[in-house]
Amino acid sequence: RKEVEQDPGPFNVPEGATVAFNCTYSNSASQSFFWYRQDCRKEPKLLMSVYSSGNEDGRFTAQLNRASQYISLLIRDSKLSDSATYLCVVTNAGKSTFGDGTTLTVKP
Amino acid sequence: GAVVSQHPSRVICKSGTSVKIECRSLDFQATTMFWYRQFPKQSLMLMATSNEGSKATYEQGVEKDKFLINHASLTLSTLTVTSAHPEDSSFYICSARDTALSTEAFFGQGTRLTVV
Repeated sequence: RKEVEQDPGPFNVPEGATVAFNCTYSNSASQSFFWYRQDCRKEPKLLMSVYSSGNEDGRFTAQLNRASQYISLLIRDSKLSDSATYLCVVTNAGKSTFGDGTTLTVKP
Repeated sequence: GAVVSQHPSRVICKSGTSVKIECRSLDFQATTMFWYRQFPKQSLMLMATSNEGSKATYEQGVEKDKFLINHASLTLSTLTVTSAHPEDSSFYICSARDTALSTEAFFGQGTRLTVV
């Protein structure tokens, strides 16, 4: 079993749609949780941190459930520019473990 | 936010030559840096953990004699791919852990290595 597992995707949605990504992790000692966005052939960029209390940034909402070892990302009112691969990242003492990523394509 | 500079961003080299990639933390001290690589259509995989002033810790399956890591200061780690082969062509990316923020790590821009 992988340490971090994500929805396999790909997700193809129309503009304006709401889309949710899920991620589970196996190491209960994991300390920090993030969603990164990676555009084709570029470095991953931090999208947002994930907290148990939930974290909202504009159209993006991230949630952590430590008991279930589950992380989610919700994107509302999808834009064309949201098309990318979204990586679930679990970090322990700075060492990051990445999910395989979920590819999102938003179409006109 | 914290800045990590990775250089070069892109390099093409001949098979059999060596390539050095630098990772610098510009505005914080990083006792620990991490090196990852990403093959096409795959996720980033940790190669090694670089500790300032001591030997790097390599993940299983990563050849330490081929991927030489030097972390001589609190702001610089280097990865040297020795005797590069086409199968070493990949996207290499570093991250630096801010000593003052134990759980934070910041990524460099990545280096796309092509061995011909």
